[in-house]
Amino acid sequence: EPEVTQTPSHQVTQMGQEVILRCVPISNHLYFYWYRQILGQKVEFLVSFYNNEISEKSEIFDDQFSVERPDGSNFTLKIRSTKLEDSAMYFCASSLGTSGKETQYFGPGTRLLVL
Amino acid sequence: AQSVTQLGSHVSVSEGALVLLRCNYSSSVPPYLFWYVQYPNQGLQLLLKYTSAATLVKGINGFEAEFKKSETSFHLTKPSAHMSDAAEYFCAVRVSGSARQLTFGSGTQLTVLP
Repeated sequence: EPEVTQTPSHQVTQMGQEVILRCVPISNHLYFYWYRQILGQKVEFLVSFYNNEISEKSEIFDDQFSVERPDGSNFTLKIRSTKLEDSAMYFCASSLGTSGKETQYFGPGTRLLVL
Repeated sequence: AQSVTQLGSHVSVSEGALVLLRCNYSSSVPPYLFWYVQYPNQGLQLLLKYTSAATLVKGINGFEAEFKKSETSFHLTKPSAHMSDAAEYFCAVRVSGSARQLTFGSGTQLTVLP
């Protein structure tokens, strides 16, 4: 069964450093998402992406964040200058379509720790 | 804006007992509702979803949920808990229209006691 994959599974970085989190969505899916879950808190939406541009973004997704689909398979989230509060589990998701009933399929997540 | 409330951050049941995890939603337009499960060190896996067809939705692993518009609820149930059901369960809502994001509840950690 096709699945969303994410690398790395864990990342430790120093405050102020740039990190890139990578995702490979399900191959025929057209819509891609990033969510994050700070320890003990809700899963929060960050951004959605379609046709090589951002469709929606939340208030969390400020200028420190960017997304890119550099080739036909990868979808990346870059945090330009990490802060302590960026420590969280980051989930990538993809869906075939964009109607409300479409299932979003989630990857296993990247646990980011900012020191 | 839509929101989801999950009552009970921790629920414990005995193996073989009924599982009931509560979810109430708030939405100004007809919602689509989802239950996801997260096993330790894994991602979110879809259990079931309500998409305005049948109000009683059956999912994987013997779980089901009933959409009740009058109560704005979408509670998750399973008649008989199994040890392997121990996980965190998230209810999520999505509305029709342009918004594509899922809005999640705070999650319920299910413990199954032998």
